[in-house]
Amino acid sequence: DIQMTQSPSTLSASVGDRVTITCRASQSISSWLAWYQQKPGKAPKLLIYKASSLESGLPSRFSGSGSGTEFTLTISSLQPDDFATYYCQQYDTYLTFGQGTKVEIK
Amino acid sequence: EVQLVESGGGLVKPGGSLRLSCAASGFTFSDAWMTWVRQAPGKGLEWVGRIKTIGEGGTTDYAAPVKGRFTISRDDSKNTLFLQMDSLKTEDTAVYYCTKHYNILNYFDYWGQGTLVTVSS
Repeated sequence: DIQMTQSPSTLSASVGDRVTITCRASQSISSWLAWYQQKPGKAPKLLIYKASSLESGLPSRFSGSGSGTEFTLTISSLQPDDFATYYCQQYDTYLTFGQGTKVEIK
Repeated sequence: EVQLVESGGGLVKPGGSLRLSCAASGFTFSDAWMTWVRQAPGKGLEWVGRIKTIGEGGTTDYAAPVKGRFTISRDDSKNTLFLQMDSLKTEDTAVYYCTKHYNILNYFDYWGQGTLVTVSS
């Protein structure tokens, strides 16, 4: 099974900050990676697919990069609506999720 | 507008059974791969299982923790996905989400709101 490891587990940041979350795969997954945002009590929402493609209608402050085993999700200027938990998910072989990164208010 | 609406969650004793449903609308359900994902209280996301289209044989795959206990099925005439859960354990307690795959790739462009299953004596 492919393991996905996110870091950090929790991130404290302020509105306007640039935020980067890292996701590492236990083996190469090419670019078969998605990122989701989840707010408390709500279902996850797709942000990024194929490592760097932004889901339609979402703000351009969200971006993804990477390939192989190391990936990043960047929020260029954190907005109040962005405080949430973010999950990466590989879909190279079946699928597995990372453990999540909570972005909280500093 | 795509909508996925789960129902059927509730409280059940260990060893019991429960059947979840997911009513789909706003897309051609019969063409879609569908998956159940669960989330234990305060924990991360866990894949439960997937069903392909009937045209592809309705093939199902399951995560190891639920294999042999859970069964995914679909009724394309009613645009509904099901999750039959038998021999439930306390560790199956979670919110269960119905999700739609993007084409035949294993990521999800739409999620339902989730239904809570609590397994407790």
